[in-house]
Amino acid sequence: TQLLEQSPQFLSIQEGENLTVYCNSSSVFSSLQWYRQEPGEGPVLLVTVVTGGEVKKLKRLTFQFGDARKDSSLHITAAQPGDTGLYLCAGVGSNYQLIWGAGTKLIIKP
Amino acid sequence: DAGVTQSPTHLIKTRGQQVTLRCSPISGHKSVSWYQQVLGQGPQFIFQYYEKEERGRGNFPDRFSARQFPNYSSELNVNALLLGDSALYLCASSVLAGITDTQYFGPGTRLTVL
Repeated sequence: TQLLEQSPQFLSIQEGENLTVYCNSSSVFSSLQWYRQEPGEGPVLLVTVVTGGEVKKLKRLTFQFGDARKDSSLHITAAQPGDTGLYLCAGVGSNYQLIWGAGTKLIIKP
Repeated sequence: DAGVTQSPTHLIKTRGQQVTLRCSPISGHKSVSWYQQVLGQGPQFIFQYYEKEERGRGNFPDRFSARQFPNYSSELNVNALLLGDSALYLCASSVLAGITDTQYFGPGTRLTVL
């Protein structure tokens, strides 16, 4: 069974700080996606990483796919209150369905 | 353009009842997927439909069923509700059914089973 584990489960930091959240698995994924979900809304796709070692940047967010395509990280620089939300990673499983992590709940305090 | 819409937004049912949830995809999108998101967890895949045909099914009991209509809207039905069915039910639409196609999610239907 393919599983994705996200850490930490919960993170509360001050505005301006940097943070990294992780998405790990013992299985290889052909690609990984990162989503952000806000209360009362569905997840919104932030980025898809496909190649091992790939790094993608989205303004202050940096996404990295591990060389072995088993893990990924999301780094936020100078976090802002607008970054608050639930960050979810999802991988394309062997049955071509999305397998989701449980998410990291991020709170940025002004 | 309107995004994915779902109805109702909230629903309260009792054990043993049946429920129907509805989803309207983005115009031009032919694929609809359904997910269950239990509080504190990530979404779990339930079904995917493309051009009115089932393309994928997750590990859910037969109490869960769905269909897609000619206008690409979709319904998710759950029979004999259990307390554990309480969750946010998300619908996502995409242009095609490929796993790499970007899925756009609706706001979800919050189902509470008492």
